Amino acid sequence: QQQVKQSPQSLIVQKGGISIINCAYENTAFDYFPWYQQFPGKGPALLIAIRPDVSEKKEGRFTISFNKSAKQFSLHIMDSQPGDSATYFCAASRNQAGTALIFGKGTTLSVSS
Amino acid sequence: ETGVTQSPTHLIKTRGQQVTLRCSSQSGHNTVSWYQQALGQGPQFIFQYYREEENGRGNFPPRFSGLQFPNYSSELNVNALELDDSALYLCASSLPGTSGGTSTDTQYFGPGTRLTVL
Repeated sequence: QQQVKQSPQSLIVQKGGISIINCAYENTAFDYFPWYQQFPGKGPALLIAIRPDVSEKKEGRFTISFNKSAKQFSLHIMDSQPGDSATYFCAASRNQAGTALIFGKGTTLSVSS
Repeated sequence: ETGVTQSPTHLIKTRGQQVTLRCSSQSGHNTVSWYQQALGQGPQFIFQYYREEENGRGNFPPRFSGLQFPNYSSELNVNALELDDSALYLCASSLPGTSGGTSTDTQYFGPGTRLTVL
């Protein structure tokens, strides 16, 4: 059972455009929702994270929007740049010792210049 | 500050063999988690170690085992390798804010070990 569903699988955006990646989760016990960025040959790196007590979090060009009632959250990348081309993973977890990050399947973003 | 390092970078084994992967956690981090990332998929949790004890386990068979050492470095051992074990194995370290660790503490990933089973 896939607990975190991510879409789209791939995304092509022009330089300067807005990239939007969506995720939906099933387990209402999840209370931590990070986004990770992964470049080829590298491990995932934390980009931005949100907890369900807020509906939006912004860090630079990256914004997470969170809808608790719909059990959905999304990543918005403003003014997308070629250097943003990477695979993005949403994840979710419970605040409990020994539990894991549950990842989505990833979105490959290509920003054309 | 030294980041998470993993060795080896790449490894090729044949079915039925055993493999040991190694991870050095980020300086001061006492919790290590291991993930398996199949091609085109997100990482899947194998297990977590906190202060040398297994602290949680995902849906992986017992032939996947681990160790954490007093310096918080860790090993992942896989016995009786199967073709489906071919994947990128990621190690992540964290420093929990409370005893026992929680997964909401930021996890810092290493570059991974690419395992190919023939």
